[in-house]
Amino acid sequence: GAVVSQHPSRVICKSGTSVKIECRSLDFQATTMFWYRQFPKQSLMLMATSNEGSKATYEQGVEKDKFLINHASLTLSTLTVTSAHPEDSSFYICSATATGLSQETQYFGPGTRLLVL
Amino acid sequence: AQTVTQSQPEMSVQEAETVTLSCTYDTSESDYYLFWYKQPPSRQMILVIRQEAYKQQNATENRFSVNFQKAAKSFSLKISDSQLGDAAMYFCAYTAFSGGSQGNLIFGKGTKLSVKP
Repeated sequence: GAVVSQHPSRVICKSGTSVKIECRSLDFQATTMFWYRQFPKQSLMLMATSNEGSKATYEQGVEKDKFLINHASLTLSTLTVTSAHPEDSSFYICSATATGLSQETQYFGPGTRLLVL
Repeated sequence: AQTVTQSQPEMSVQEAETVTLSCTYDTSESDYYLFWYKQPPSRQMILVIRQEAYKQQNATENRFSVNFQKAAKSFSLKISDSQLGDAAMYFCAYTAFSGGSQGNLIFGKGTKLSVKP
């Protein structure tokens, strides 16, 4: 149980285009979803937290107009990187906490590798 | 502010042997949870073990166990009978409940574990 999927697993795009990453909880309803960014050989950096039907809460230094988060349902959150640039290239990971389960435990998706040319 | 410190950037263990990864944290909260996550080369974050701060008994999951020293704010992970598949980056993480709401997951910088055949 508590499986989280992400799509796509990797994406290459041209500079200036927008990229959408989906995060789905497959076998549970997600109270809260989180988006992280991870640079090589570093820990995870929290970008934003989202609850279904509410605006996302962004961490300091994360541009909310650059990284659009939509938590449309209890099983789906999307991260859109708008007007992507090479410096946005990174590994993006989502996680979710489950309604009804141990709400303090985050279950992670497999991540999405974004390369902006 | 809460912090999580992993003082061992890299560790190595012989297959079938035992290894202990260190983690210390700093908090003034009384209600919190501690986790160890594993990130293999696939980069999928996998929950290894979790510990509730109010429980005195150390958590165990098969070959994985923790030594939770609340007064010392220490939370080490012991891996027994190490296997090649245990090779990964291991992250210690902390989250707390404060004022009825859950805080974010705070990660250490990670320890890269190598397993020698």
